[in-house]
Formats: sequence, structure tokens, C-alpha cells
Amino acid sequence: KAGVTQTPRYLIKTRGQQVTLSCSPISGHRSVSWYQQTPGQGLQFLFEYFSETQRNKGNFPGRFSGRQFSNSRSEMNVSTLELGDSALYLCASRTDRNTGELFFGEGSRLTVL
Amino acid sequence: SQKIEQNSEALNIQEGKTATLTCNYTNYSPAYLQWYRQDPGRGPVFLLLIRENEKEKRKERLKVTFDTTLKQSLFHITASQPADSATYLCAKNPPGYSTLTFGKGTMLLVSP
Repeated sequence: KAGVTQTPRYLIKTRGQQVTLSCSPISGHRSVSWYQQTPGQGLQFLFEYFSETQRNKGNFPGRFSGRQFSNSRSEMNVSTLELGDSALYLCASRTDRNTGELFFGEGSRLTVL
Repeated sequence: SQKIEQNSEALNIQEGKTATLTCNYTNYSPAYLQWYRQDPGRGPVFLLLIRENEKEKRKERLKVTFDTTLKQSLFHITASQPADSATYLCAKNPPGYSTLTFGKGTMLLVSP
């Protein structure tokens, strides 16, 4: 079974721009979560989607948004980028069991200049 | 708010010794705790899950304990190897709430 695939792996943007990151979950997994990871804050939960509906949302500004498609693939978007948005963005999928472990992708490394 | 704390200082040990990592949490006890391994530039990889009614869980050289009185989980790697060098993350979620809260992780360095 293929793992969680995230694209792009690396990208560089400038302040004020916007970015869209993509995530393809493991086949059969309907839950997709997004996390931001920085050296100072560790892994911070952004949001979780299940069957195209946002199930939970973390404490991030409205510039961070996401969506999930009918094939469970997910995208997240960050508008009006700030320097502090530089981070590793991780996507994770799991089965629809609430207690299941997360399967992470390799992440998208975003650098904002 | 939920908090989960791991020792921020790196743990340095010699090959063959047992590594013990600590995870402490505040507020209510989670339904379960999970441990992940993360290598530099890679996504975390799931290792073990322990439920609140379990005291101990083992998988090969790995052992996790869960003490709801102390609000603490210990993660042990026996007969450690240089290949075990990585950052280890602890994560929890409360009953009925699916989102995982992660600690910042502890870096383990195993020297030959």
C-alpha cells in the first residue's frame, strides 16, 4: 500500500503570497489531519477532515484553510504569507476509527522570505 | 488547556544501554497515549499505543508504561543501537476527542 503523499516537498515563497499544499492519504483512509511543525513550537494541530467535512480545527488564524475532496485527497492553503509561517507542514491520515494511529507523509517544507 | 511535556534536552547514551524517555501530561487523563519516532526532515512514524487501562505495552525492544496517577508515560528502548538515534514524540488525546496533542519530542543520541 502506498503511504501518504505530500506535494510539493519544498517550496519558497515571499511575504504576502499564498500557497497551496496537497496531500493524498493512504487508500481507504477517510480522515486527514494537518500539522505545522516548527523548532520552537513542535507539532501544532491545524485541522482535520473526514468525508469532506472539517471535523476539528486548531488555534490558527483564518489565513489557514483547507478542504477535502470526495476521493479523500486534501489541500491546505495559507494566504498572505508571513515570515513566521515558515515550517514543515505535515499531513497525516488514518482509518475512520477515532483511536487509530496517524500515518504521516514526509511533509512540505515551506520557507517564506 | 491540554499540555504534554517531554524533556527538551537530548538524551545521550551508549550502544547496548537502555534508553528511557519521559512524557508528562496535565489535566485529565487521556484515553490513550501514542509514541512516534521522527528522523530529521521526515514525517513521524507511529511506534506504540497504550490505553489508559493498560499499565505496560511491549513491541520487540520497545516498552511503554502508563501511570495515570503520576500522569506520566515512560518509553524504553532496550539494547539501544545507533540506528535508534532520532527524536521521539509522545501524543495524547482525551476520551471522545480524536485530535492528538503532541509533545515537542526528545532527541535520543546513541553512540557506538
